[in-house]
Amino acid sequence: AQRVTQPEKLLSVFKGAPVELKCNYSYSGSPELFWYVQYSRQRLQLLLRHISRESIKGFTADLNKGETSFHLKKPFAQEEDSAMYYCAQGGSSGGGADGLTFGKGTHLIIQP
Amino acid sequence: EPEVTQTPSHQVTQMGQEVILRCVPISNHLYFYWYRQILGQKVEFLVSFYNNEISEKSEIFDDQFSVERPDGSNFTLKIRSTKLEDSAMYFCASSEATPGTGLYTEAFFGQGTRLTVV
Repeated sequence: AQRVTQPEKLLSVFKGAPVELKCNYSYSGSPELFWYVQYSRQRLQLLLRHISRESIKGFTADLNKGETSFHLKKPFAQEEDSAMYYCAQGGSSGGGADGLTFGKGTHLIIQP
Repeated sequence: EPEVTQTPSHQVTQMGQEVILRCVPISNHLYFYWYRQILGQKVEFLVSFYNNEISEKSEIFDDQFSVERPDGSNFTLKIRSTKLEDSAMYFCASSEATPGTGLYTEAFFGQGTRLTVV
């Protein structure tokens, strides 16, 4: 079974400091990995996915197959980054039918 | 911008009662999903639905659960006889899958229905 591990339940950093949210996944063929974010009282929304290799709101995440990691990083945290962040792994069988396997989430708090 | 909508936002029911959670996926999407999140725990996959049938389901999705697309717009989750442990936030999601390409397209989530079983 697929497993996604986010070791930190809570991460608190000061505004302007670098942020790294850790995520490790269990290897399953060709993993498709995502970061979802949930701001206060809002729905889960996609932040970024490894396949697109883009930077969203200053966040980046690099897939490291050797370490089976997909850590989320931002060089300078902003107060509006405070939210719950979920790492998720998609199915590898293709077709998009498989459900996402989520990590437990990390609550990121940016202090002023 | 199109959104996945879920009703009701909060449902309170007595143990043993049947509940139906409703979702309206984004109109041109082909794949539909239900997830749940028990308070303090992670979001868990329940079931995916494509072409009017279940595509995949998790161990959580036992015989008490069923899904249906009764018309062209709604996608429902029914819990036949609710238990206390069914209390959770239930999220509906939909995606515009591209079958056969191996690409997992973005899943758009609804706001969730908070189910409280008393």
